Amino acid sequence: GAGVSQSPSNKVTEKGKDVELRCDPISGHTALYWYRQSLGQGLEFLIYFQGNSAPDKSGLPSDRFSAERTGGSVSTLTIQRTQQEDSAVYLCASSFSGHSSYGYTFGSGTRLTVV
Amino acid sequence: SQQGEEDPQALSIQEGENATMNCSYKTSINNLQWYRQNSGRGLVHLILIRSNEREKHSGRLRVTLDTSKKSSSLLITASRAADTASYFCATDKGSSNTGKLIFGQGTTLQVKP
Repeated sequence: GAGVSQSPSNKVTEKGKDVELRCDPISGHTALYWYRQSLGQGLEFLIYFQGNSAPDKSGLPSDRFSAERTGGSVSTLTIQRTQQEDSAVYLCASSFSGHSSYGYTFGSGTRLTVV
Repeated sequence: SQQGEEDPQALSIQEGENATMNCSYKTSINNLQWYRQNSGRGLVHLILIRSNEREKHSGRLRVTLDTSKKSSSLLITASRAADTASYFCATDKGSSNTGKLIFGQGTTLQVKP
């Protein structure tokens, strides 16, 4: 597609429920990154995909967080048994390759609120 | 700890004035990038400067990089109300081959009409 698409744009969920966040990167971009941003804060790295593989998942905060990518395209970030501290904006970015010189194209993010 | 840290955290200026934001980082880098974020949503890539470059221009943006001091600055000249946003610097790690960027906390810029 023309840009990085994320869905849903907003999600309100009850504590303890599972949520799935979706990212559809730019066609042809092999690298995909997930970040989260708490209110007024910087971006916290979660996970990096190159194709369907995740060579760096060092930022996932707990085993309640998981992500996958299929067909070298769409990625899903799943948060199980959500907690209030999971409330944040989850941002996805894609890049032409896994080299930083290409820069990122970001989606508009999913604002997750856990009540 | 953050690889990139911006200074100041917040900046308020009048339209037409110049805005300068600074970024410091800790490790060696291949490049440093600046992004802009409106309304807490997606970030937009503004400019990239490579580690062997000292200055780069793009329209009203001027970026400098001092690798000896591990610092960069972003200058926005003749600011407009539409420049109101948060600005983030992002660095890779020179030894990394993943393209992973580490973002700073950002500078919130308000340009008053």
